Amino acid sequence: EPEVTQTPSHQVTQMGQEVILRCVPISNHLYFYWYRQILGQKVEFLVSFYNNEISEKSEIFDDQFSVERPDGSNFTLKIRSTKLEDSAMYFCASTRDRANEQFFGPGTRLTVL
Amino acid sequence: EDQVTQSPEALRLQEGESSSLNCSYTVSGLRGLFWYRQDPGKGPEFLFTLYSAGEEKEKERLKATLTKKESFLHITAPKPEDSATYLCAVQEITNDYKLSFGAGTTVTVRA
Repeated sequence: EPEVTQTPSHQVTQMGQEVILRCVPISNHLYFYWYRQILGQKVEFLVSFYNNEISEKSEIFDDQFSVERPDGSNFTLKIRSTKLEDSAMYFCASTRDRANEQFFGPGTRLTVL
Repeated sequence: EDQVTQSPEALRLQEGESSSLNCSYTVSGLRGLFWYRQDPGKGPEFLFTLYSAGEEKEKERLKATLTKKESFLHITAPKPEDSATYLCAVQEITNDYKLSFGAGTTVTVRA
């Protein structure tokens, strides 16, 4: 059964460093998303991406964040200068039809020291 | 104001003891309501989508129902492997298809 994959599973970084989180969505899906979940809190929407451009972004997704689909399979989230409050689980999701269910990856746990 | 409120926050059940989880939502127009299961340290796993009031979906011991203001996830004769956090999320007609999640209900089923 096709699934969304994410790498790395855990990333530890120093405050102020850049990180890139990687995702491989399900192959025939067209819409891609990033969400995050701070420990003990709700899953929060960050950004949606379709046809090589951002469709919608939340207030969390400021100038420090960017997304890219560098090739036909990968979808990345970059944080330029990490802050302590960026520590969270980051989930990638994808769907073929945006009105239908989104399928989530296993997540990347980002720890900013 | 929270769009999605789930109750209770936590639920401890004996194996075989059926129960229901509630998801109340306040949106201007509902495109869809989604139930996910989340195990500790893992990503949400899709369970059901409901689109209109009166709709019901079933999968094994789980049954989801929808009204105009809330959804219920019924767990019938639960087993220990049903222990997880159950998340409810809504997709609003006015939004660009993003999911807005509730805080979840953590279910623990004791053998």
